[in-house]
Amino acid sequence: GAGVSQSPSNKVTEKGKDVELRCDPISGHTALYWYRQSLGQGLEFLIYFQGNSAPDKSGLPSDRFSAERTGGSVSTLTIQRTQQEDSAVYLCASSRDYLYEQYFGPGTRLTVT
Amino acid sequence: GQQVMQIPQYQHVQEGEDFTTYCNSSTTLSNIQWYKQRPGGHPVFLIQLVKSGEVKKQKRLTFQFGEAKKNSSLHITATQTTDVGTYFCAGPGSGGSNYKLTFGKGTLLTVNP
Repeated sequence: GAGVSQSPSNKVTEKGKDVELRCDPISGHTALYWYRQSLGQGLEFLIYFQGNSAPDKSGLPSDRFSAERTGGSVSTLTIQRTQQEDSAVYLCASSRDYLYEQYFGPGTRLTVT
Repeated sequence: GQQVMQIPQYQHVQEGEDFTTYCNSSTTLSNIQWYKQRPGGHPVFLIQLVKSGEVKKQKRLTFQFGEAKKNSSLHITATQTTDVGTYFCAGPGSGGSNYKLTFGKGTLLTVNP
């Protein structure tokens, strides 16, 4: 079946612009995660959605970052007033439930110039 | 907060040599997961270990979970060029944060053919 998809695959934006990153999880997966991965680094947790519960936003680095998940499916990560330090690969992952393995999407490579 | 440490950070081997990466958590884990990320790719789930002292094998890969459930290792026998990539371990938080995986920074394996 289809895996996790993300769009766009690459995004180049100017400092100060807003960007929206999209994630389509695997159908039926209730848990959805966003991570950030800087070059050669590990995965930094950003946000977690589980069904209709309130999301865990504890990993968002600043109030310029926000995310939503509509209808328990598609999720959008929005970064307002982008800064150069926001440049990274943003990975989305979904899971049947929080106890299970995570399936990652291909990521969105964001470059802020 | 919970910390997950991996060593070594990098490992370069000749094809056919063995490879081991070690993972240590600052807290006792309910389980540990391992992921592999090929260069330019996204993390892919390899395995989950749950029981104290558990050992699981996948072909040339052997995974161990320590008796105290605070450490784990991945051993690859007779490496091949297809083994190249970064290997991450990840452990869930405790209590109410058990849905949140903390990833180690990974071990980058390169294999000289």
